[in-house]
Amino acid sequence: NAGVTQTPKFQVLKTGQSMTLQCAQDMNHEYMSWYRQDPGMGLRLIHYSVGAGITDQGEVPNGYNVSRSTTEDFPLRLLSAAPSQTSVYFCASSPRVSGANVLTFGAGSRLTVL
Amino acid sequence: GQNIDQPTEMTATEGAIVQINCTYQTSGFNGLFWYQQHAGEAPTFLSYNVLDGLEEKGRFSSFLSRSKGYSYLLLKELQMKDSASYLCAGVDSNYQLIWGAGTKLIIKP
Repeated sequence: NAGVTQTPKFQVLKTGQSMTLQCAQDMNHEYMSWYRQDPGMGLRLIHYSVGAGITDQGEVPNGYNVSRSTTEDFPLRLLSAAPSQTSVYFCASSPRVSGANVLTFGAGSRLTVL
Repeated sequence: GQNIDQPTEMTATEGAIVQINCTYQTSGFNGLFWYQQHAGEAPTFLSYNVLDGLEEKGRFSSFLSRSKGYSYLLLKELQMKDSASYLCAGVDSNYQLIWGAGTKLIIKP
């Protein structure tokens, strides 16, 4: 099993460009989420999904869109990149949507916006 | 508000014991997670506590006191590979995770 796969690992964008970070899991997990990790701060939840066709906003959703057309895939779209979106992005999934569940993280995508 | 506090950085010696503390304030409480994150890698699960007391898992143990809003991660017989950041995350009443900024642990020979 591959677990949670994120692409790309590294990306440099110019301000105003758009891009999509891909996330796929092969564990049949119901719950998927996107976090950003910045120095000196805890992981911050951007968007999450509790199943195909269902998404919701997290703590810092502005500037990002998500969709969940299948159980396996949960792409994160940056609509018009800004330097404040320079960060490391992690996709994470868990088997169930209720209760406190262990998250399995992807390897991360390091994004720099110039 | 909701908050997780943990030290920014700690240094310890190979073979020794280190305790990483975490205090939390959450709206409701449904447990506390510890994750390990090596530099440039993804966080990986270490432990989950929801009841008071100590849970031991090999060289790593995690303790929780709900009345004090306090947890710690105890690492014994430190090895160089234990150099990593350790993330504390509380689970609130809606089962949302509240993350601390992480404690960077440096192991010296």
